[in-house]
Amino acid sequence: EAGVAQSPRYKIIEKRQSVAFWCNPISGHATLYWYQQILGQGPKLLIQFQNNGVVDDSQLPKDRFSAERLKGVDSTLKIQPAKLEDSAVYLCASSLVAGGSTDTQYFGPGTRLTVL
Amino acid sequence: AQSVTQPDIHITVSEGASLELRCNYSYGATPYLFWYVQSPGQGLQLLLKYFSGDTLVQGIKGFEAEFKRSQSSFNLRKPSVHWSDAAEYFCAPGGANNLFFGTGTRLTVIP
Repeated sequence: EAGVAQSPRYKIIEKRQSVAFWCNPISGHATLYWYQQILGQGPKLLIQFQNNGVVDDSQLPKDRFSAERLKGVDSTLKIQPAKLEDSAVYLCASSLVAGGSTDTQYFGPGTRLTVL
Repeated sequence: AQSVTQPDIHITVSEGASLELRCNYSYGATPYLFWYVQSPGQGLQLLLKYFSGDTLVQGIKGFEAEFKRSQSSFNLRKPSVHWSDAAEYFCAPGGANNLFFGTGTRLTVIP
């Protein structure tokens, strides 16, 4: 079974530029998560989708971050414009059932973003 | 408010020695509890999880964890560490929809 795929793996941009990350969850997984992991910290949830609807985006900085999950499968996370403090690893995860912490979240390898 | 504390930022153990990683949480109710491991350049992998029932749970790679309600703790243990266990370990209590990760404990294993 293929795992969660993310691309690119690494990205370096200048501040005020835009960047987009892509995630392909495990086939059949209803729930998709985006996390931000700043160096030295644990992952922090940015947004959670159930199929193609948003369940929780309370921690997403909506003035610069946006995310979508087309057709309830792949997802894209965008930052526009980027700030220095956005430097982090962006993790995508998916789970089988429609939300709920009792379900196991499977994580992708992440995208490491460096903002100069 | 939700919070989770992993008091040990970095632990170094000798290969073959026993290991205990501490985790304390503060939550509105008894949460679901998870331990994840993150190896360099890899995504997070679930080690074990506790929902209810037996307070001692077994996980993959020989790890186990014990839930102690009175201490609000969920410590991770392994009787004999292998060099391949060197990684970052995260404790994560969870609620209805998401996980709340601790800051992690980095494990170094020396030969």
